[in-house]
Amino acid sequence: EVQLVESGGGLVQPGGSLRLSCVVSGFTFSSYGMYWVRQAPGKGLECISYINSISRVINYADSVEGRFTISRDNAKNSLFLQMNSLRVEDTAVYYCARDYPRGSPDYWGQGTRVTVS
Amino acid sequence: DVVVTQSPLSLPVPLGQSASISCRSSQSLVYTDGNTYLSWFQQRPGQSPRRLIYKVSNRDPGVPDRFSGSGSGTDFTLKISRVEAEDVGVYYCMQGTHWPRAFGQGTKLEIK
Repeated sequence: EVQLVESGGGLVQPGGSLRLSCVVSGFTFSSYGMYWVRQAPGKGLECISYINSISRVINYADSVEGRFTISRDNAKNSLFLQMNSLRVEDTAVYYCARDYPRGSPDYWGQGTRVTVS
Repeated sequence: DVVVTQSPLSLPVPLGQSASISCRSSQSLVYTDGNTYLSWFQQRPGQSPRRLIYKVSNRDPGVPDRFSGSGSGTDFTLKISRVEAEDVGVYYCMQGTHWPRAFGQGTKLEIK
């Protein structure tokens, strides 16, 4: 069974930092690109970052470029999102998701809540 | 950036009737490999998004055949036949051809 489990969310003051993790199981993590997608309270979905299977291709949305860093450890089946210089508008539930086939997240985690206040 | 626009944003549907959601992109979603990367997602209240359709019309495993996707280029449609109570939620389209990826605003389906 495919599982993605996020952790690391919490309450942080503006300007602070958090590191989110996503541990996966049930598939060969090193073969898939991965996304971080967020959803602000009562709002829609925003795809904020992507990393390909071997960390060669990394993309960020303009809203997080220069503040957030995506990374992965294929040996530990883990995806990360380092979030620095957090703003009130970064408050959201953050989901990790697997990319398959190209350009489409098929499996999603349950999300981890980040509150910047 | 590609802008994805859904309509309607609210969709009240009687049980057993059909529903249709439109998704339009500001640029063609045909990728250089010839594929069109347009997906549809369902988000039930309090749950994570669930993918229903990928590459315009391919249904994910376990998705009822009441859900169907169609379209090409910049215009796409999700059709739900014989709406059931479990279909209540917000539906999103997403383009996966260009970066940044973009979701539509979401369409809230409710039972009328």
